[in-house]
Amino acid sequence: DTAVSQTPKYLVTQMGNDKSIKCEQNLGHDTMYWYKQDSKKFLKIMFSYNNKELIINETVPNRFSPKSPDKAHLNLHINSLELGDSAVYFCASAGGFMDTQYFGPGTRLTVL
Amino acid sequence: GDSVTQMEGPVTLSEEAFLTINCTYTATGYPSLFWYVQYPGEGLQLLLKATKADDKGSNKGFEATYRKETTSFHLEKGSVQVSDSAVYFCALNNFNKFYFGSGTKLNVKP
Repeated sequence: DTAVSQTPKYLVTQMGNDKSIKCEQNLGHDTMYWYKQDSKKFLKIMFSYNNKELIINETVPNRFSPKSPDKAHLNLHINSLELGDSAVYFCASAGGFMDTQYFGPGTRLTVL
Repeated sequence: GDSVTQMEGPVTLSEEAFLTINCTYTATGYPSLFWYVQYPGEGLQLLLKATKADDKGSNKGFEATYRKETTSFHLEKGSVQVSDSAVYFCALNNFNKFYFGSGTKLNVKP
């Protein structure tokens, strides 16, 4: 069983389009995260939700909007995609304070 | 604010060589410390962790000791294998906020 899953694995799209990435975890965790990893492997946190409530919202353009329909899902919607949005996006979840994070396999987004 | 600093790569070693990847941190309170590994084309996987000072995390021959006096969590392995080639991330968790280092790429040659 996959603990943290993301769809799609690859996403190729044109500038200006709107796209969504879905994330689901079956670990029963309360907290979920979205990260962006650039071409140099630098990992930057974007958002964190705890029990469907936003608790971390780093400096991210408001074209990015997370949505958590329940605590097992955290989706990322991106409006008006730009070339600089090309990256690998990772979803992760954790059980509580000081706990380990478990990562999904990543979604490679390419904006043409 | 909290942060993690790790040595820049890439690190290139021959098989069976000794590995050290340095990691230091800045944090208020008592964070948990982690090493994650990312193999090519995959997500990050937990390699080991330590939750309090002087704890030693270990897994697959890798070890790291939580040193509060030097605010360090250096990763070591006595004898690396080609299959250890990957990117290694040091991280801390302080009240459910994670901070990652910039990653260190390890290349192990046969």
